[in-house]
Amino acid sequence: AQSVTQLDSQVPVFEEAPVELRCNYSSSVSVYLFWYVQYPNQGLQLLLKYLSGSTLVKGINGFEAEFNKSQTSFHLRKPSVHISDTAEYFCAVSVPSGGSYIPTFGRGTSLIVHP
Amino acid sequence: ETGVTQSPTHLIKTRGQQVTLRCSSQSGHNTVSWYQQALGQGPQFIFQYYREEENGRGNFPPRFSGLQFPNYSSELNVNALELDDSALYLCASSRGASGSYNEQFFGPGTRLTVL
Repeated sequence: AQSVTQLDSQVPVFEEAPVELRCNYSSSVSVYLFWYVQYPNQGLQLLLKYLSGSTLVKGINGFEAEFNKSQTSFHLRKPSVHISDTAEYFCAVSVPSGGSYIPTFGRGTSLIVHP
Repeated sequence: ETGVTQSPTHLIKTRGQQVTLRCSSQSGHNTVSWYQQALGQGPQFIFQYYREEENGRGNFPPRFSGLQFPNYSSELNVNALELDDSALYLCASSRGASGSYNEQFFGPGTRLTVL
């Protein structure tokens, strides 16, 4: 079975500063990796995904993530954050399961951007 | 294009009661997944339906059951409610075909409180 660990439950940062949200996973087979964002009282929105190919993945809102197979990590980065980036961020891993792809989510990291 | 919608937005039930939550898929999507998100946690996969048949199930007891209708809308039914069932229930739809990855689009969720 696969699992996801988000190493920080909360990350405070000042506006326009860079940020990194950490994610490690464990799986015995090849995986797909995802980052989702959840704003208050809303559902999840896909930020970016890694399926195959280039290990550096660019997503929406200026976010990017790098897949590191040897370290089993998929950290999310943004060079300059905005107040509007304040939200909950979830890392997820997905493996084939009976023909369907079911994601396993981490517990989330709350990004708090201060002015 | 209409997104994923869920009803009701909020619901309060008492222990032992039964509840039905509803989800309308995004246009053109034939796969629906349901997730339970407890407070401060990541979403946990309950089950998935593809073309009206269950296509995967997470670690949830049989009192969690579902249906998918010919128009691909879906219901989640929970019997004999327990206090721990209090959570945000998320529905996600995708243009799925077994064995392939297709992005899931999430609804805003139904907040269930069990007293």
